[in-house]
Amino acid sequence: DGGITQSPKYLFRKEGQNVTLSCEQNLNHDAMYWYRQDPGQGLRLIYYSQIVNDFQKGDIAEGYSVSREKKESFPLTVTSAQKNPTAFYLCASSSGTGRDTQYFGPGTRLTVL
Amino acid sequence: AQSVTQLDSQVPVFEEAPVELRCNYSSSVSVYLFWYVQYPNQGLQLLLKYLSGSTLVKGINGFEAEFNKSQTSFHLRKPSVHISDTAEYFCAVSEWYSNYQLIWGAGTKLIIKP
Repeated sequence: DGGITQSPKYLFRKEGQNVTLSCEQNLNHDAMYWYRQDPGQGLRLIYYSQIVNDFQKGDIAEGYSVSREKKESFPLTVTSAQKNPTAFYLCASSSGTGRDTQYFGPGTRLTVL
Repeated sequence: AQSVTQLDSQVPVFEEAPVELRCNYSSSVSVYLFWYVQYPNQGLQLLLKYLSGSTLVKGINGFEAEFNKSQTSFHLRKPSVHISDTAEYFCAVSEWYSNYQLIWGAGTKLIIKP
């Protein structure tokens, strides 16, 4: 079945640690996205990538980093510089134009202890 | 799109009653419009989208939405809701020249009362 997988589903981090969230897609999509979701705030774009080896900052990129070495994979690292990382993180992919549907993974809930 | 406003953060409705979830946007150019649904602790999935043509769009699970250009609105409706419709609904907009970015509303929680 085609789709997007995210792992882990739940992640706990101590303050000062970097953590990496995994996102893999087998939809052959060119574009991939990372969103952060906080209650009552909708989705906010962290980073997006339209092609392998290229990515762009979204609205809230500070404290996050990404890589896009393979078309299928777009991991997100939450660094210790992110002041308030506790949130629900969603990965999505699309064919890459504004008219295309974005397909979402099941999400990773990150909690800082 | 400059912004997307979902006017109600929560909408309680009795089972089998009709429901309308409101979405307004601000933009000076042509837009594409989307409604996504998120069930608890899950990712989002597309309900329906408007790209062009007929302003009444039908989606999955019996939902439909109407694009009103003059009022810059894209309200979501269902004539009779079921307990399984309990979820959060997000309106999103992209401008025609944008090749990546969706502008998201804050979401509306649909609460079905038995």
